[in-house]
Amino acid sequence: DSGVTQTPKHLITATGQRVTLRCSPRSGDLSVYWYQQSLDQGLQFLIQYYNGEERAKGNILERFSAQQFPDLHSELNLSSLELGDSALYFCASSVERLAANTGELFFGEGSRLTVL
Amino acid sequence: GENVEQHPSTLSVQEGDSAVIKCTYSDSASNYFPWYKQELGKGPQLIIDIRSNVGEKKDQRIAVTLNKTAKHFSLHITETQPEDSAVYFCAASPNSGGYQKVTFGTGTKLQVIP
Repeated sequence: DSGVTQTPKHLITATGQRVTLRCSPRSGDLSVYWYQQSLDQGLQFLIQYYNGEERAKGNILERFSAQQFPDLHSELNLSSLELGDSALYFCASSVERLAANTGELFFGEGSRLTVL
Repeated sequence: GENVEQHPSTLSVQEGDSAVIKCTYSDSASNYFPWYKQELGKGPQLIIDIRSNVGEKKDQRIAVTLNKTAKHFSLHITETQPEDSAVYFCAASPNSGGYQKVTFGTGTKLQVIP
């Protein structure tokens, strides 16, 4: 158990709809990352938040948005869904404190999104 | 930005044999190279990492080598066991804290045949 919790584990929805994926990082981790993993694809970096602020952006579509709340949990919002958005969405967290900078990302078990 | 290439995409070995997975990176600013293992139905998990100030690191049956001049690094698994079967991802980051985005390779599906 990595300590990172993602909900829901599975989600089936229709094209054009909007969904929200939720992530609770490990206790004490300030950084949250979102990754997309499509079938037979690697991990595509979407976005990173650090202590509530957006820190880095990757290949995230304009239809997607994310935020990190004061309690450090994060949500990834996917709107106007298309068939190609079907994928496994992972959240990861890391320490990123100067005194404990291991570099390790702790991944949740992912949210599998199926768009029909 | 950083580009990480990983080979092979699939690898089958007999139990007890060695497995080698190779990665190259493009950004000379990258100085942290982790390897993650993803078992079926789970999220990736760090198995070993190496920083740019060393050329090799070992942890039991797993070792990683880094050639900064050539910009490539490799994962070596010796005496493979069925439980080593998984997808392995290499990654590169310009900061050991993952402060900036970590770029992953496309993954290698390793199958260890009993």
